[in-house]
Formats: sequence, C-alpha cells, structure tokens
Amino acid sequence: EDKVVQSPLSLVVHEGDTVTLNCSYEVTNFRSLLWYKQEKKAPTFLFMLTSSGIEKKSGRLSSILDKKELFSILNITATQTGDSAVYLCAVEAYSGAGSYQLTFGKGTKLSVIP
Amino acid sequence: EPEVTQTPSHQVTQMGQEVILRCVPISNHLYFYWYRQILGQKVEFLVSFYNNEISEKSEIFDDQFSVERPDGSNFTLKIRSTKLEDSAMYFCASTEGGRVSPLHFGNGTRLTVT
Repeated sequence: EDKVVQSPLSLVVHEGDTVTLNCSYEVTNFRSLLWYKQEKKAPTFLFMLTSSGIEKKSGRLSSILDKKELFSILNITATQTGDSAVYLCAVEAYSGAGSYQLTFGKGTKLSVIP
Repeated sequence: EPEVTQTPSHQVTQMGQEVILRCVPISNHLYFYWYRQILGQKVEFLVSFYNNEISEKSEIFDDQFSVERPDGSNFTLKIRSTKLEDSAMYFCASTEGGRVSPLHFGNGTRLTVT
C-alpha cells in the first residue's frame, strides 16, 4: 500500500522564522511529488517535483526532492501570518490502465504567530 | 484562470437520504476526479472518470457511490443512502491529460449527515 508520511504534524513559529516541512514516501510506480497549501477549503497547488536535486522556488517557498532517499522538503523563509495553513504532500503514482492517483499525507499544520 | 466549481458549498442531509454533489470541471479537461477529506483526516481518493466511465476507484467507493457526467459540463457524485461516516468535505478535480498532476481542486462541498 502506498504511504506518505509528513512531519511534524504541527508547528508553531514566530513571524520571520524559517521552517522546513518534511515528507517521506513509499509508493509503487512513483511519478511525481506535489505540495499543496490548504487554508479553509480546497488544497491549492504549490509545487510539483519529478526530478531529484532540482529545487523549485516560488517567492519565499522552495522545495526539493530526493528520489534515492524517498523524501521531499518544503522550506518557507521569513514566514508571515498568511503562511498559516495545513501543508499537504501528495505523491502521484501510476495505478495501471492509464490511470494515476494521488496519495496524500496527513499534512503539517503551520501556525505563524506575530 | 479557469477553475473547477462545485455546488452546493454545504449540504446537510439525514442519514439514509440520497445526495448529489455537483461539479463543473474546467472546460477542455477530459479526466475527472472525486476526493474526500473527513474532518481532521487526510485527503483520500475516491474515483477517477474518463471517456464516460470509471477508470479507477478506491475501496471507499462502494456500491453506495456513483458518478455521472449527465451532460457536457457537469460531473456528479451521488451517494445513494448516506451514512454518518459519509460526513466529509468532497473535492472535485479535473485534468486535461491522464496525468493527475498538477491536480487543481474545486472549493469543495461540505456534506454533513445527521
């Protein structure tokens, strides 16, 4: 069974701090790893990673994948209160007959206090 | 930017009743998905749909569930006889090609079964 494990499950930091969120996975037929941010409703897409060692960056957020050690990290620098959310890691895998599925981790709840 | 839209945003129903959750995928997309998230738990795959048939479904998607694309724009999830444990946020998503990622979710329908 495919498995995605995120750590920590929750994190409280002060504005300006840098945080690192972790995601490890065990999946068959891995295709990509994705990070999402979930505030009140739907997860919103942040990054998709397919290759090891290539950092994806968007503003203060960055992410990298290690396909050998089967993990990814999401970094947020200079955190702001608006970064408070649940960050979800999901792994895309080929499930056969042209079909793909996302398996999600439980998420890391980040709280940024002023 | 085109987006997936879902209605209603919140549905309250009594146990044993049938509910239909509606989704309008992005117009040129061909693959459609339903995921759900029970409060406090992880996002879980329910079903994928392509070419007017189910391409993949999870163990959660039992005989009580069905999906349909009744016309060229809507994609529906029906739960025939709701149970208390069906209470969750239901997310619809669509993609242009068979690859799931990056998956863009609708804002979800919160289903409450009393």
